[in-house]
Amino acid sequence: GAVVSQHPSWVICKSGTSVKIECRSLDFQATTMFWYRQFPKQSLMLMATSNEGSKATYEQGVEKDKFLINHASLTLSTLTVTSAHPEDSSFYICSASGTSGSNGGELFFGEGSRLTVL
Amino acid sequence: KQEVTQIPAALSVPEGENLVLNCSFTDSAIYNLQWFRQDPGKGLTSLLLIQSSQREQTSGRLNASLDKSSGRSTLYIAASQPGDSATYLCAVRPSGTSYGKLTFGQGTILTVHP
Repeated sequence: GAVVSQHPSWVICKSGTSVKIECRSLDFQATTMFWYRQFPKQSLMLMATSNEGSKATYEQGVEKDKFLINHASLTLSTLTVTSAHPEDSSFYICSASGTSGSNGGELFFGEGSRLTVL
Repeated sequence: KQEVTQIPAALSVPEGENLVLNCSFTDSAIYNLQWFRQDPGKGLTSLLLIQSSQREQTSGRLNASLDKSSGRSTLYIAASQPGDSATYLCAVRPSGTSYGKLTFGQGTILTVHP
């Protein structure tokens, strides 16, 4: 399957700082990438849809000013958690698919990024 | 609102057993259903994707079936191995939605002991 890479895999930061997480599609072009959040022992919740060259679409209840998403190229999307607080501590996972309609819509996920805010 | 339920929540079996994981969803209007594997602290690995028009998909020792009308899918694992130990997630993509808008189940934690 296709490869999606995330960086960093884990990060610890102080409350009030901003943290950037990168998501790259390594062997295909992804016009759309998706950011999920996973709390301990819970399932994944979609946060936002990242569209190359346009603004991200956020799910209801997700603060767009807190979770800044940039999709500057067909292989890279970034999620910046601004002014992070302990309640933002979570496991963030990105996913991507090929161009719309290809491979039947199968999604490939990154390895995830563990954020801990002190 | 689509809801996805996975049963059992946890399963422990001896090596070599065949096993079945269950997934049910409340709204049968789906585009596809995907099974994933997640190791502790890791991302998701796609196992099988079943389109709404399909009944089953097979990959190696894994077989997934889909009965859209009854809102059910099963993941069958043959001859289980300790390396199969992980959390298994099923997710559905509702019809008419962006292909990233998956609704996930809570997962089944599988432990295969030697």
